[in-house]
Amino acid sequence: DAGVTQSPTHLIKTRGQHVTLRCSPISGHKSVSWYQQVLGQGPQFIFQYYEKEERGRGNFPDRFSARQFPNYSSELNVNALLLGDSALYLCASSPTVGTGGYEQYFGPGTRLTVT
Amino acid sequence: AQSVSQHNHHVILSEAASLELGCNYSYGGTVNLFWYVQYPGQHLQLLLKYFSGDPLVKGIKGFEAEFIKSKFSFNLRKPSVQWSDTAEYFCAVNARAGNNRKLIWGLGTSLAVNP
Repeated sequence: DAGVTQSPTHLIKTRGQHVTLRCSPISGHKSVSWYQQVLGQGPQFIFQYYEKEERGRGNFPDRFSARQFPNYSSELNVNALLLGDSALYLCASSPTVGTGGYEQYFGPGTRLTVT
Repeated sequence: AQSVSQHNHHVILSEAASLELGCNYSYGGTVNLFWYVQYPGQHLQLLLKYFSGDPLVKGIKGFEAEFIKSKFSFNLRKPSVQWSDTAEYFCAVNARAGNNRKLIWGLGTSLAVNP
């Protein structure tokens, strides 16, 4: 079975530009979460989506937005890129969300470099 | 605020040495606890998890962790490390955020095992 897939693998953008990152969850998983991982730090939570609805949002500016499609894939959009947005962007999928226990499965990430 | 603290940022060991990585969290409610590993050039993988029941959990590759509720700790252990254990290790806590849970990460511990 395919794991979580993300595209593109690497991306180089210029300050002020816009970027769209894509994620396909494991088949049967209905939730997708996005994380930003800066070198030397742990992942920081950006968004969680479940059944196409936003279920959680981290402390990121409004330049960051996301959506989930009917097939449960997801896009993360970042507008007006800043140098500080350079990071590894991780997507994770899970079968469900909510207050019960569940684990997340991570994709390989998209390495974004802003120059 | 909810947080996860990993005490050791960089650990260097020789093969066959014992390993213990500390993880403490600040959250008073019910938690799910995880240790993830990131091998060089690879994506995050789940080592082990605790949801409920026996506080001593065993994961892949000989790793184990003990949940001590009174100490808000979830330390990772391995009796004898191998060179192939060289990686970044992350402790994460799935804490309730409204009607959902949010995965909160520690900064990570970089482990280097010398052959």
